[in-house]
Amino acid sequence: QKEVEQDPGPLSVPEGAIVSLNCTYSNSAFQYFMWYRQYSRKGPELLMYTYSSGNKEDGRFTAQVDKSSKYISLFIRDSQPSDSATYLCAMSGWEGKLIFGQGTELSVKP
Amino acid sequence: DVKVTQSSRYLVKRTGEKVFLECVQDMDHENMFWYRQDPGLGLRLIYFSYDVKMKEKGDIPEGYSVSREKKERFSLILESASTNQTSMYLCASKQADRGSGETQYFGPGTRLLVL
Repeated sequence: QKEVEQDPGPLSVPEGAIVSLNCTYSNSAFQYFMWYRQYSRKGPELLMYTYSSGNKEDGRFTAQVDKSSKYISLFIRDSQPSDSATYLCAMSGWEGKLIFGQGTELSVKP
Repeated sequence: DVKVTQSSRYLVKRTGEKVFLECVQDMDHENMFWYRQDPGLGLRLIYFSYDVKMKEKGDIPEGYSVSREKKERFSLILESASTNQTSMYLCASKQADRGSGETQYFGPGTRLLVL
């Protein structure tokens, strides 16, 4: 079993839809949770960063962490074609070594 | 803004060639990382470095080596390229851990094709 599991998709939604992206993990030592966005043929860029459990909102993006269930989510409201990308969850413990999910490919159709 | 640059966006090499991938960061970060990214496998850590002249093996170091002679530069070396090393290579950097989970910043990637 992988330490971090992420549905690879692809996921296709119409413009304006609410998108939910999810990851599960097995290591209870993880404390830091991140979402990266990666456009085609580019490097990943940090989108959201959360420490421990709870919610964090930034514009149309909301990150949720439920440590009791070992489950994290990224919600995108009012999705736009420019949101079309691969979304990678990543997490680490105190030592800082990042473990990535496989990435979910999202396509938002106009 | 943090800037991580990689020397090449695309490379084509032949089996058996020695390949150098260069990465430079401009934020005085202590830690630097090399990953490869393959469809269905996500990002896998090859090597990382906590400081100049220091290196640690990641999850898949076989067939690779690294060099960190200066703080801002981290090189990945494929000693004898093989076709199974065809991949997207990503460099990242971050500040040393201070107990608050500093995040990694990525370069644009190098797509390597080994024929």
